[in-house]
Amino acid sequence: DTAVSQTPKYLVTQMGNDKSIKCEQNLGHDTMYWYKQDSKKFLKIMFSYNNKELIINETVPNRFSPKSPDKAHLNLHINSLELGDSAVYFCASSHQGSSYEQYFGPGTRLTVT
Amino acid sequence: DQQVKQNSPSLSVQEGRISILNCDYTNSMFDYFLWYKKYPAEGPTFLISISSIKDKNEDGRFTVFLNKSAKHLSLHIVPSQPGDSAVYFCAAGTGNNRKLIWGLGTSLAVNP
Repeated sequence: DTAVSQTPKYLVTQMGNDKSIKCEQNLGHDTMYWYKQDSKKFLKIMFSYNNKELIINETVPNRFSPKSPDKAHLNLHINSLELGDSAVYFCASSHQGSSYEQYFGPGTRLTVT
Repeated sequence: DQQVKQNSPSLSVQEGRISILNCDYTNSMFDYFLWYKKYPAEGPTFLISISSIKDKNEDGRFTVFLNKSAKHLSLHIVPSQPGDSAVYFCAAGTGNNRKLIWGLGTSLAVNP
């Protein structure tokens, strides 16, 4: 059983398009995250939701919009894709009350051409 | 401004020897530190953590040491195994929102 899953694993698209990445966790966690790992391998938090409420919203262009339909899902929609959006996007989840330990999905490699 | 720094991009050790990965931080408000391991094309996997009220935590072959006065932590792997070859990330957290700040990672190669 995959604990944190993301779809798709690879996404190649053209500039200007709109795309979505989906994330699901079956760990029963109440908090989910989106991270971006750029070409320099720097892993940076983008958003975090706790019980469907946005709790972390870093300086991210408003072309990026997270949506959490329920505690087990956190999707990322990106409008008007740009070349600089090319990166690996990781979803993660954790149990807010206990510790800082976060559990990651396998990542989605987004390539914008 | 990088608050968590892993100054060695890579490290190579012989199988059976000790691997020591280092991490420095600047923010004295960090109250929790974690090490993650990452294989290519996979997400980071939690390895071991330490609270700021402790100076050592051990789990099998993995030990994390925290020196708060020096704002430094290290991960020791003894004995190192070829399967330990991966990128190791140090992360630090603070605040109720459990936000983690990550280092750039150290690529460890354990040679048979």
